[in-house]
Formats: sequence, C-alpha cells, structure tokens
Amino acid sequence: EVQLVESGGGLVQPGGSLRLSCAASGFTFSNNNVNWVRQAPGKGLEWVAYINTIGTAIYYADSVRGRFTISRDNAENSLYLQMNSVRAEDTAVYYCARVSSSSGWSFDYWGQGTLVTVSS
Amino acid sequence: QSALTQPASVSGSPGQSITISCTGTSSDIGGFNYVSWYQQHPGKAPKLMIYDVSKRPSGVSNRFSGSKSGNSASLTISGLQSEDEADYYCSSYTISTTWVFGGGTKLTVL
Repeated sequence: EVQLVESGGGLVQPGGSLRLSCAASGFTFSNNNVNWVRQAPGKGLEWVAYINTIGTAIYYADSVRGRFTISRDNAENSLYLQMNSVRAEDTAVYYCARVSSSSGWSFDYWGQGTLVTVSS
Repeated sequence: QSALTQPASVSGSPGQSITISCTGTSSDIGGFNYVSWYQQHPGKAPKLMIYDVSKRPSGVSNRFSGSKSGNSASLTISGLQSEDEADYYCSSYTISTTWVFGGGTKLTVL
C-alpha cells in the first residue's frame, strides 16, 4: 500500500525556519517525481514545489521561491521542504503528493498533511 | 500564476448530474492536455478523480467524467450520491513548468 506520511509541522515565528519531512513507503520512491502542495485554513489548494526522481529538476511557486527548498533522499525514501523566512501567509496544511505513474502531470497519492502555523 | 476559475458552489439532488467548470488560459488548460480533478472531503487529503483531462484512475467510479474545450475544462458527475458531497479542485500543468489549482467548488447533494 502506497503511503506518504508528513511530519515536522508546528508553530513557528515570522522570519523563522522549519523543516518538513515526508516518509514514503509501499512503492519505489526513487521512481517517482514528488511535490509539496499546501492548503491555508478554509482555503483552496496551492502547489508549492516539485522535484524529479534524481533531484536535477526543481521548480517552485513564485510565492515561495528563494525562501523554501525542496530536496529528497532516495536512500531514506524521504522528501523534505526547508522553509526559511516564513510569513503569516505560509500558514497552511502541507501535503506531499506523488506524481502519478500513469500520467506525469497529476498527483495520485497524497499524505495526510502536516500543519504549519506562523505566528508570534 | 493566477488560480484557475471554478464556481464556488454547485448542488444537485441524488440521481441527477452536475457539471463543474474550470477556466484557465492558453498558458495552462489551453496549452496542455494535463487537466486533473481532485475530490476532498472535510479534514481529508485530496483524492485524484480524473487525470489527463478525461482519464479515470483505477477504482474511481465511471460516474465521474472529464472534458476540455479551449481554455476550459469540466468535471461531470452523473447519478449523484450522498458520498459525492465534497470539495472539488481542478488543476493544470502550466507553460512555466508549474502547476496551478482552481479555487475549489463545494458540491452539495440536496
């Protein structure tokens, strides 16, 4: 069974840093591109970042470029999101989402999410 | 990248059909056949319902169908059931090598 389990969320002050992790199991992690997608409380989904299987192609949403860094460790079956210089508007549930093996352009499995709250 | 445009809410009675629209631009929906649709129940993670405009993942009911015309896409749910009540989001790959989501549509089954 494919599973994605996020961790690392919590309360962080504006301007602070946080590192999110996503542990993958039930599939060969190194074969799939992966993303981070977030959802502010009561709001819609927002794509955040993408990384390909070997980390050579990385893309970010304009809202986080220069502040967030996506990375992966295929040996550890893990995806990461380093969040620096966080702002109140970064408050959201952060999901890791696997790019579909059937289509390279949709997300077929999602984790349950981890909540990040930016507040003083 | 601006969000795709969806109606805030739609509703229908059990057994009826409803359609949710999703409007973008030639830089996203109009430029690629990479539209996907996600269902999200309260407090749950999104679930992929349609990918590549009109394809259904294994396990998704054939009551769900997708289409695209120009810069707009649509999700149709036929034979509405109570369990279909949820939020629905469209998404598209974009010319900027990013993804964009719609604002979401709340489906109410009357």
